[in-house]
Amino acid sequence: KAGVTQTPRYLIKTRGQQVTLSCSPISGHRSVSWYQQTPGQGLQFLFEYFSETQRNKGNFPGRFSGRQFSNSRSEMNVSTLELGDSALYLCASSIGQGDQPQHFGDGTRLSIL
Amino acid sequence: GESVGLHLPTLSVQEGDNSIINCAYSNSASDYFIWYKQESGKGPQFIIDIRSNMDKRQGQRVTVLLNKTVKHLSLQIAATQPGDSAVYFCAEMGYGNKLVFGAGTILRVKS
Repeated sequence: KAGVTQTPRYLIKTRGQQVTLSCSPISGHRSVSWYQQTPGQGLQFLFEYFSETQRNKGNFPGRFSGRQFSNSRSEMNVSTLELGDSALYLCASSIGQGDQPQHFGDGTRLSIL
Repeated sequence: GESVGLHLPTLSVQEGDNSIINCAYSNSASDYFIWYKQESGKGPQFIIDIRSNMDKRQGQRVTVLLNKTVKHLSLQIAATQPGDSAVYFCAEMGYGNKLVFGAGTILRVKS
């Protein structure tokens, strides 16, 4: 069974630009969650989507947004990029109901110049 | 200003020894917990999980212990191997499928 796939793996942007990251979940998984990982703050929850609906959102500004498509694939978008947005962005998928583990992709490394 | 990064604790063990990694969680209402392993350049990899109605669960070479009284989790790795070297995170499942992660522990295995 294929794992969670994130594209692109690496991205370099400049301040003020916007970026879209993509995530393909494990087949059959309907929940997709996004996390930001930085050396200073560790792993922090951004938001979670289930059946194309955002079910939960973390404490990030409105510049961070996402969506989920009918095939459960998800995208996250960051607008007006700031230097502090440099991070590893991780996507995780799960069945989405009950206590089930989330399985992570290898992330997109976003660097802001 | 200068940002202060997380200072991860490091556990160094000899190959073949057992490792114990500890974690304190914050929410006494959490009822599902997961351990992840993260190697350099990769995403967190699921190791083992445990629900709050259990206090111990065993996998292959790994055991997770849960002490709800003191809000403490531990991960025991038997016969630690060089391939076990990584950062280990505990996570508690919060409301709405949200994982809250601990800061992590670096495990270094000496050959």
